[in-house]
Amino acid sequence: DQQVKQNSPSLSVQEGRISILNCDYTNSMFDYFLWYKKYPAEGPTFLISISSIKDKNEDGRFTVFLNKSAKHLSLHIVPSQPGDSAVYFCAASAMDDSWGKFQFGAGTQVVVTP
Amino acid sequence: DTGVSQDPRHKITKRGQNVTFRCDPISEHNRLYWYRQTLGQGPEFLTYFQNEAQLEKSRLLSDRFSAERPKGSFSTLEIQRTEQGDSAMYLCASSVSGLDYGYTFGSGTRLTVV
Repeated sequence: DQQVKQNSPSLSVQEGRISILNCDYTNSMFDYFLWYKKYPAEGPTFLISISSIKDKNEDGRFTVFLNKSAKHLSLHIVPSQPGDSAVYFCAASAMDDSWGKFQFGAGTQVVVTP
Repeated sequence: DTGVSQDPRHKITKRGQNVTFRCDPISEHNRLYWYRQTLGQGPEFLTYFQNEAQLEKSRLLSDRFSAERPKGSFSTLEIQRTEQGDSAMYLCASSVSGLDYGYTFGSGTRLTVV
């Protein structure tokens, strides 16, 4: 049962433009969300998080938006840079699971072109 | 401390053989997680330790899988009687209490069962 879905397996964007990555979840108990970035042959790297008490969190070029009613979150990267080319995973957890078990989406491959 | 270390990076084994992977977490992290990732999918939770106690195992973790974390430091994941379906990237992650910064993942062990 895939509770976290990233329906776009790939995204191509020009350098300097905005990248928008989407993630949908089905479990209404999820209240903490993370985005990870993964380069080939490396483990995922934490990027940004958001809890359900917020609808937006910003860190430099990265902003995550949460729409709880739609069970949808998105990651905006602006401006996109060549080094942003990677696979991005959305992950969700219920804070009641206090030990931090996360459900991950299948990932979106981002390619930033010059 | 340079992060989460996993050994080996790659393992090729014949079907039916036993394999063991090692994970060295960040020293001050009391939580340690094992995930498995197959091609085109996000990481799937396998098991979790808080210090030396294994607190939960996913139903994905069959009886052929066993994990230990003696003394709450490094952890090992053993797979007995490997099957071709065990071929995957095995990721270890560690964290401290609280979810604000997510996990720190290792680079993973790529297992190929032939």
